[in-house]
Amino acid sequence: GAVVSQHPSRVICKSGTSVKIECRSLDFQATTMFWYRQFPKQSLMLMATSNEGSKATYEQGVEKDKFLINHASLTLSTLTVTSAHPEDSSFYICSARGQEVTDTQYFGPGTRLTVL
Amino acid sequence: LAKTTQPISMDSYEGQEVNITCSHNNIATNDYITWYQQFPSQGPRFIIQGYKTKVTNEVASLFIPADRKSSTLSLPRVSLSDTAVYYCLVGAFSSGSARQLTFGSGTQLTVLP
Repeated sequence: GAVVSQHPSRVICKSGTSVKIECRSLDFQATTMFWYRQFPKQSLMLMATSNEGSKATYEQGVEKDKFLINHASLTLSTLTVTSAHPEDSSFYICSARGQEVTDTQYFGPGTRLTVL
Repeated sequence: LAKTTQPISMDSYEGQEVNITCSHNNIATNDYITWYQQFPSQGPRFIIQGYKTKVTNEVASLFIPADRKSSTLSLPRVSLSDTAVYYCLVGAFSSGSARQLTFGSGTQLTVLP
């Protein structure tokens, strides 16, 4: 149980384009989903928290107009990197927490974004 | 924020027991302690979670002293496939903010043959 998927697993795009990453909870309803970014050899950095049906809460220093988050259903959240630039190249990981699990977040496999 | 401190790296040999300690001096009353394992280019994998005393599951044990200012993840009889980064995460969703769920630097465990 508690499986989280992400799509795509890796994406390469040109500078200036937008990229959408999907995060799905497969066997539970995720009331809260989180988006993280991880650079090579570094720890995970929380970007934003999204609750189903409401606006996401962004961490300090994360541009909400650049990283658009939508949590339209209890099983799907999307992160759109708008006008991507090479410095946005990173490993993006989502996690989800549902009412059925206690204080535990379960992570997706991650999406490797490379912006040329 | 319940900041966590872990050793940057640890080496062990196959078949040995490995103990990784995490310090979290300002842990809050309703904070849980959760450990994750991460392989390169993969999302973290849940290992174990606890609040106090000792928790054991099929892959690990978690020891938490009475003051809860630290915790120790114990991996019995490690194998080469246990080589990974291990993160200690302290926080609680019930506090209404994921800001308390901050990842520390993690511990790179290398298991040698």
